[in-house]
Amino acid sequence: ETGVTQTPRHLVMGMTNKKSLKCEQHLGHNAMYWYKQSAKKPLELMFVYSLEERVENNSVPSRFSPECPNSSHLFLHLHTLQPEDSALYLCASSLRQGAYNEQFFGPGTRLTVL
Amino acid sequence: SQQGEEDPQALSIQEGENATMNCSYKTSINNLQWYRQNSGRGLVHLILIRSNEREKHSGRLRVTLDTSKKSSSLLITASRAADTASYFCATGFQGAQKLVFGQGTRLTINP
Repeated sequence: ETGVTQTPRHLVMGMTNKKSLKCEQHLGHNAMYWYKQSAKKPLELMFVYSLEERVENNSVPSRFSPECPNSSHLFLHLHTLQPEDSALYLCASSLRQGAYNEQFFGPGTRLTVL
Repeated sequence: SQQGEEDPQALSIQEGENATMNCSYKTSINNLQWYRQNSGRGLVHLILIRSNEREKHSGRLRVTLDTSKKSSSLLITASRAADTASYFCATGFQGAQKLVFGQGTRLTINP
């Protein structure tokens, strides 16, 4: 257990559905991240939050909408997704934002878009 | 591209043998980290090496960093079946605030 939990672990949705992914960290960290992991592609950073402020948005389509209500929780709201959005979505946290910090990852949500 | 590139993409060895994976990158870094990912799971941090360090050890893991060649290697000694996983290097570039992950090396340990 890394101290980062994600729900649900698996999600199947149609292109017209709206769903949300949830991430919670119990480590007292100040930075949280969303990554997308597709087959045969490097891990893609999507969003970074530091002290509940979004500090990075890596040109992610607007059909992905992040929310960070407090430093322990991070959501990724999904709507009108495309089949190519099917991937493993990983949440991570670190003590502070920045490349010097070790990141702690959750187990991921396996998303399938039909 | 700033990302590190791991080599080989896949490696299969017998239990008990040593496994070596390499990571190369293109621009100056302030640190490099190695992570492990078991199939379909999240990544687990293994070790961080700073740009002014040349070698670090953690249990059966040994990481080297050669900034002149812009490369790092991860050595796993006396491999076990439980070491079967994908291994990723992540680079922290100077002036950047985020880690950039490579595509990973898929390691299989055969019993």
